[in-house]
Amino acid sequence: GAVVSQHPSWVICKSGTSVKIECRSLDFQATTMFWYRQFPKQSLMLMATSNEGSKATYEQGVEKDKFLINHASLTLSTLTVTSAHPEDSSFYICSARAWDSLSKALTSPLHFGNGTRLTVT
Amino acid sequence: GIQVEQSPPDLILQEGANSTLRCNFSDSVNNLQWFHQNPWGQLINLFYIPSGTKQNGRLSATTVATERYSLLYISSSQTTDSGVYFCAVGYGNKLVFGAGTILRVKS
Repeated sequence: GAVVSQHPSWVICKSGTSVKIECRSLDFQATTMFWYRQFPKQSLMLMATSNEGSKATYEQGVEKDKFLINHASLTLSTLTVTSAHPEDSSFYICSARAWDSLSKALTSPLHFGNGTRLTVT
Repeated sequence: GIQVEQSPPDLILQEGANSTLRCNFSDSVNNLQWFHQNPWGQLINLFYIPSGTKQNGRLSATTVATERYSLLYISSSQTTDSGVYFCAVGYGNKLVFGAGTILRVKS
């Protein structure tokens, strides 16, 4: 259980275009999803927290107008990289935390998608 | 914010050897997970271990929350164990990652 699907796995786009990445929780409801970015040979850095039905919370230094996040349902969050530039080339990974409807609590382990490798030429 | 330090940063092992990876954190946490990232970038969830000890085959982990550290043990290492091992701690509603340990197992 607790599968997170991310699409696409990789994408190449031209500078100035926009790219949308989808993150889906397949077998559980995720009221909260997280978007991370990983540059080569570095760790994962949290970009933003995506809450279903409300605005995302961005980490310091992350441009909210450049990285648009939409979490319109309990199973889908999207990250759109707008007007992409070569410096946006990176590995983007989403994760989700399951909502336990019985205890009305967020179960603690985070489940991760397989990531999207973005290359901007 | 919280600091998460992993050691060693790099580790080279001969196949069959044992190893211990360490994760220190600077504040109380509500979650701790160990991950293995394979060469394709996929994060494999090894353990969810905010406290105590767990074992899964050749891997085991121990977290001593009161002393703010966790250990990941790999026994009888195999070449397929190569990759990057991350410790991540829950701080508030966020999961904060350490810098990772790069493990290379030679045959």
